[in-house]
Amino acid sequence: DAKTTQPNSMESNEEEPVHLPCNHSTISGTDYIHWYRQLPSQGPEYVIHGLTSNVNNRMASLAIAEDRKSSTLILHRATLRDAAVYYCILRDQWNYGGSQGNLIFGKGTKLSVKP
Amino acid sequence: GAGVSQSPSNKVTEKGKDVELRCDPISGHTALYWYRQSLGQGLEFLIYFQGNSAPDKSGLPSDRFSAERTGGSVSTLTIQRTQQEDSAVYLCASSLLGGGAGANYGYTFGSGTRLTVV
Repeated sequence: DAKTTQPNSMESNEEEPVHLPCNHSTISGTDYIHWYRQLPSQGPEYVIHGLTSNVNNRMASLAIAEDRKSSTLILHRATLRDAAVYYCILRDQWNYGGSQGNLIFGKGTKLSVKP
Repeated sequence: GAGVSQSPSNKVTEKGKDVELRCDPISGHTALYWYRQSLGQGLEFLIYFQGNSAPDKSGLPSDRFSAERTGGSVSTLTIQRTQQEDSAVYLCASSLLGGGAGANYGYTFGSGTRLTVV
């Protein structure tokens, strides 16, 4: 599976929007872009995923660059509860060997939210 | 059930003892995954089940680790002759589909089992 690059950490103020970047310059045409987050002392939580078009759900928005080499997770109004490690992961829909398309977690971005 | 259930939530065991960790996935989810997370570290993939078979066991760290899944549902991760380096949070996740076909589906994780080997 192609790799992703994320900043180690970011800070945000409460009630302000947060844009979390992810670079994936070697993405293939069959890779889905997935985002998860892990709050302190909890298991990871699915946030959003997409293939080519921008996606919105109740938690966040996913903006995917036209060339798909980068994406941005957008939290529209950060709350203290959004402080977590955010992971950007590629899942290949045609990967039936190797990692079987499993989620391989990197180090992610640690988001801190200031009141 | 509504979510992925793992038991026990905490387990303290003596070095050299065997332990069994249980995962009850979301009903109807064919794919099940085990990960572990040592203190302050990232998530480490252990094994993936599609139905009752395990196409990918590449993450199991040694032959002391084994896992099975029965009835396409409950899975058990067994660690024999536990060592202190086995201390970690063991996380289970399930997904509607696995492998490449599952790329368009998210994982749901359980709350994990915190294993402490003393």
